[in-house]
Amino acid sequence: SQTIHQWPATLVQPVGSPLSLECTVEGTSNPNLYWYRQAAGRGLQLLFYSVGIGQISSEVPQNLSASRPQDRQFILSSKKLLLSDSGFYLCAWGLAGGAIGRFFGPGTRLTVL
Amino acid sequence: GENVEQHPSTLSVQEGDSAVIKCTYSDSASNYFPWYKQELGKGPQLIIDIRSNVGEKKDQRIAVTLNKTAKHFSLHITETQPEDSAVYFCAAGGYQKVTFGTGTKLQVIP
Repeated sequence: SQTIHQWPATLVQPVGSPLSLECTVEGTSNPNLYWYRQAAGRGLQLLFYSVGIGQISSEVPQNLSASRPQDRQFILSSKKLLLSDSGFYLCAWGLAGGAIGRFFGPGTRLTVL
Repeated sequence: GENVEQHPSTLSVQEGDSAVIKCTYSDSASNYFPWYKQELGKGPQLIIDIRSNVGEKKDQRIAVTLNKTAKHFSLHITETQPEDSAVYFCAAGGYQKVTFGTGTKLQVIP
């Protein structure tokens, strides 16, 4: 069966510090991978998605970037965090080649102080 | 792009009653409509989905209906139980991308 891992689970960072959140998927090959952000009391905002190694599509211009160095690894990064980057970050995967439900990881709670 | 509206934002029901959550979407090209349940502090879980060539789908106590003409789709939960309490999200889209609604916080009162 497929599993998706995210770490860390929680993170507190000062403004201006760098960020690296990692997501890995097991049990599937060539998945579509997604990064979402969920602000308190709000819906899910798609940040980035990837259909393959090195292929990144950005949905919202912002202070963040994403990379996919391996088939089942997706990384969310920032060089300098802003207060507005605080939120709940969720990685998700979906089967390539068709519209099917996103399977979400457990999320990372990021607080920027 | 796609715009998804979800109502109500909060919903309280007595245990055993039914709950209905409604969504509308704007893009007539959308052909995939999943629903997610998110418990506190966890990632959303897919609970049911429907494609545009189907009008209704059931899975035990949950069902989804889709009206493509009106661009409406709904989640129905019957015989609600306390463990149904969570935030529910609808979504609409197609290959690669879906757009999420803003969520409905469902509280089932024992």
